[in-house]
Amino acid sequence: QSALTQPRSVSGSPGQSVNISCAGSSSDVGAYIYVSWYQQHPGKAPKLMVYDVTKRPSGVPDRFSGSKSGNTASLTVSGLQAEDEADYYCCSYTGSSVVFGGGTKLTVL
Amino acid sequence: QVLLQQWGAGLLKPSETLSLTCAVSGGSLSNHYWTWIRQSPGKGLERIGEIDHSGRTRFNPSLSSRVSLSVDTSKNQFSLRMTSVTAADTGVYYCARSSSWLLNWLDPWGPGTQVTVSS
Repeated sequence: QSALTQPRSVSGSPGQSVNISCAGSSSDVGAYIYVSWYQQHPGKAPKLMVYDVTKRPSGVPDRFSGSKSGNTASLTVSGLQAEDEADYYCCSYTGSSVVFGGGTKLTVL
Repeated sequence: QVLLQQWGAGLLKPSETLSLTCAVSGGSLSNHYWTWIRQSPGKGLERIGEIDHSGRTRFNPSLSSRVSLSVDTSKNQFSLRMTSVTAADTGVYYCARSSSWLLNWLDPWGPGTQVTVSS
């Protein structure tokens, strides 16, 4: 199973919005609603930010939102804050397993 | 609040066996699925396998011949064992909780254990 494709990096200024894409296929992202997003700060474990494409766990700010169109999922971070600077990974169910994206480094300028 | 704490040997020689344990506090092993994920510069995040409280397991096919999982409900712990490690197994190993075999969400994660395989 090939990894999902994410941009290596994205950036934005405080207060702006950024979008992180996650391109998969009709066998993973396109086939299921089970897409999740994880935030990882340096030296820390990943943290769940969005699951089932659009759902947010308790405690995650509503500045983080997820969507999907066809074989591509997206994470939008609105009202950027300094603490949002981190790596972000998407993950999709594949029918028998899960596959992760390669990660996107979000830089807050 | 469920917290995961993990431990195990961090430096191994090729052909040795990797053993890690993850302890669950603030919750029970029941009604969830407990998974191992590893992260390496070369392969990124990779699912290893998962186990439920009754001991049912599923594995990443690419690792299944070398991996075993076990659960100790009396201690609220679950463990990973990987045999015949090579340098390609170097990375940070995480334990995590999921609500189902779908692994549609993984939360929380353990802090991670750096495993280095070197002669």
